[in-house]
Amino acid sequence: GQNIDQPTEMTATEGAIVQINCTYQTSGFNGLFWYQQHAGEAPTFLSYNVLDGLEEKGRFSSFLSRSKGYSYLLLKELQMKDSASYLCAVKEAGNMLTFGGGTRLMVKP
Amino acid sequence: DAGVTQSPTHLIKTRGQQVTLRCSPKSGHDTVSWYQQALGQGPQFIFQYYEEEERQRGNFPDRFSGHQFPNYSSELNVNALLLGDSALYLCASSFGSDTDTQYFGPGTRLTVL
Repeated sequence: GQNIDQPTEMTATEGAIVQINCTYQTSGFNGLFWYQQHAGEAPTFLSYNVLDGLEEKGRFSSFLSRSKGYSYLLLKELQMKDSASYLCAVKEAGNMLTFGGGTRLMVKP
Repeated sequence: DAGVTQSPTHLIKTRGQQVTLRCSPKSGHDTVSWYQQALGQGPQFIFQYYEEEERQRGNFPDRFSGHQFPNYSSELNVNALLLGDSALYLCASSFGSDTDTQYFGPGTRLTVL
């Protein structure tokens, strides 16, 4: 079966850096996605990794190690508006996304 | 450029009733996926439609069915509603290929009483 694990909650301070980890065990792998979801809203796409290494996009970076079944999302210069849930999702064979339970990030002043 | 749209925004039904939710994909997209998201959890894949056919299905009972129209819009139907069907139903659209990014609509909040 498939299993995607990420911490349930994290707290960080405005202006700081936070790293949200995701480990996965899936029967197939066709890429890993990170989405941001504010309460009551739709998930919005942040990043996509299919090869090992770091992808940087502004204040957000995402890393993937396929051999370790591991990814992280790095958020720099945290802002209050970054308070949201962050969803790690693996695309297996076909087009189906399997999501973790999400990490609720609270940014404090 | 219109993004993914869904209707209605909210819906309240009672147990045993049937419901139809609607989704219009992002312009240029031809593939629609449906997800169920219970409160405090990640979305769970229901099924995906491409070229008016169900291409892939998750672990959901036959009470969940769908349809895709020639203009790529889609419907999700749920029969014999249970209390446990209360959730946010998300539609995501993408373009064809297996690795294309899925973009989500705002969702329909379904409450079953």
